[in-house]
Amino acid sequence: QVQLVESGGGLVKPGGSLRLSCAASGFTFSDYYMSWIRQAPGKGLEWVSYISSSSNYINHADSVKGRFTISRDNAKNSLYLQMNSLRAEDTAVYYCARANYYYYYIMDVWGQGTTVTVSS
Amino acid sequence: QSVLTQPPSVSAAPGQNVTISCSGSSSNIGNNYVSWYQQLPETAPKLLIYENNKRPSGIPDRFSGSKSGTSATLGITGLQTGDEADYYCGTWDNSLSAVVFGGGTKLTVL
Repeated sequence: QVQLVESGGGLVKPGGSLRLSCAASGFTFSDYYMSWIRQAPGKGLEWVSYISSSSNYINHADSVKGRFTISRDNAKNSLYLQMNSLRAEDTAVYYCARANYYYYYIMDVWGQGTTVTVSS
Repeated sequence: QSVLTQPPSVSAAPGQNVTISCSGSSSNIGNNYVSWYQQLPETAPKLLIYENNKRPSGIPDRFSGSKSGTSATLGITGLQTGDEADYYCGTWDNSLSAVVFGGGTKLTVL
């Protein structure tokens, strides 16, 4: 079945770095746009980044621009989020999500999430 | 503050019907499709409605969506205790060039 499994979360100090991974299975990964979406404790959903199927189009939210980088490896069916210069406000559950085949802003499959905590 | 505005909470008794509103502007809802997501307690969000009013496979027809101008509405009929969750609307914002979500609405089934 279609599945997304995130990994790489953890506790990191302010200013530190972390790389999240998302392993996809059950569908042709290289056909779909992918996104990262986060949810701070007790808060709502916040879109972070998206990447096109062939990595030609990438977009990041202003809140992470210049600090986070989304990438993918279609040969490994994997999505990544490199997070640098982490701040306390980046503390959240990070979800990997597949975009609808026709509209990249509709997330039709979500992973279970991985927790990132930024604290000294 | 979220770009899309939702009521923080709604409540109703089992068996009753409820609607959740999502208000935006011409730069988002007015010119793009609206999606709705359901987040059950301690779980990941799940797509409930897409392209304003379509249901993914497996979503019961008790859930419906509509859009008019710069607002959208999620409707749930025959409420069940298992519908207790947070509900989020989402779309694309042409001015921000970003995916945007509402702040979420907590549904309580009394």
